Amino acid sequence: DAGITQSPRYKITETGRQVTLMCHQTWSHSYMFWYRQDLGHGLRLIYYSAAADITDKGEVPDGYVVSRSKTENFPLTLESATRSQTSVYFCASMGTGSYEQYFGPGTRLTVT
Amino acid sequence: DAKTTQPPSMDCAEGRAANLPCNHSTISGNEYVYWYRQIHSQGPQYIIHGLKNNETNEMASLIITEDRKSSTLILPHATLRDTAVYYCIVRDRNSGNTPLVFGKGTRLSVIA
Repeated sequence: DAGITQSPRYKITETGRQVTLMCHQTWSHSYMFWYRQDLGHGLRLIYYSAAADITDKGEVPDGYVVSRSKTENFPLTLESATRSQTSVYFCASMGTGSYEQYFGPGTRLTVT
Repeated sequence: DAKTTQPPSMDCAEGRAANLPCNHSTISGNEYVYWYRQIHSQGPQYIIHGLKNNETNEMASLIITEDRKSSTLILPHATLRDTAVYYCIVRDRNSGNTPLVFGKGTRLSVIA
C-alpha cells in the first residue's frame, strides 16, 4: 500500500531493553523525521534525515539512534529504554521542495 | 523560524464557522504560515499554508493580516470530526526542508 507506515503500532518493553521502531514510506521522499509526543504535549523532533546516510539531531535526541541506509526506511532505536521514553512516536516524510509533511499513524511505546 | 502564539483551547458549535487565531509578530518576509491539525491518536495532517495572500482549499481558509503579524484559520462549517488540536507553524520556505517545529496548538472542540 502506498503511504507511510509504522511498526509496531503498540509496544511494551522493559527498562534497559533495546527497542527499534520502524518507519517505511513508499513515495521516495528525501526527508524523513521522527517525533515523540508525550501526554498533553506537542510534538518534539528527535532526529531527521535529508537523504540516505544523512541524519541530524532534533530537539530531543538523547537515548535514540537512527539510521537511513535506504531512502524508504528510517528506523529509530532506543538502545537502552527508560521509563521517560514512554511516549507516542510519529514518523513523517516530505519530498524535496514540498511544503507538506506526511505523518504515519504512530507507535505507542510503554517502558515498564 | 518565528515563534507563534495560539489560544490553548476553543469551542465551536457544529455547523458554525470556527475561527482559530495565531499570532506571529516576529515573522520575516520569507516565512510562510502553515496549519496542521491532529485528530486524537492520529498523526498530524496538513491543512493549508500561505505567505501573504488569503488562501482557500477544500478544508479551510487562511486569512493573513496585511502586516503578516497574525493569521486566522477558518473552518467554514465545523463538524464533530473537526475536533482536533490545530497547530500554526511559521517556517522559512527558503531554508529547505527543515523540520517543522510544533507548539502546543489550539484544542478545538466542536459541540453538537
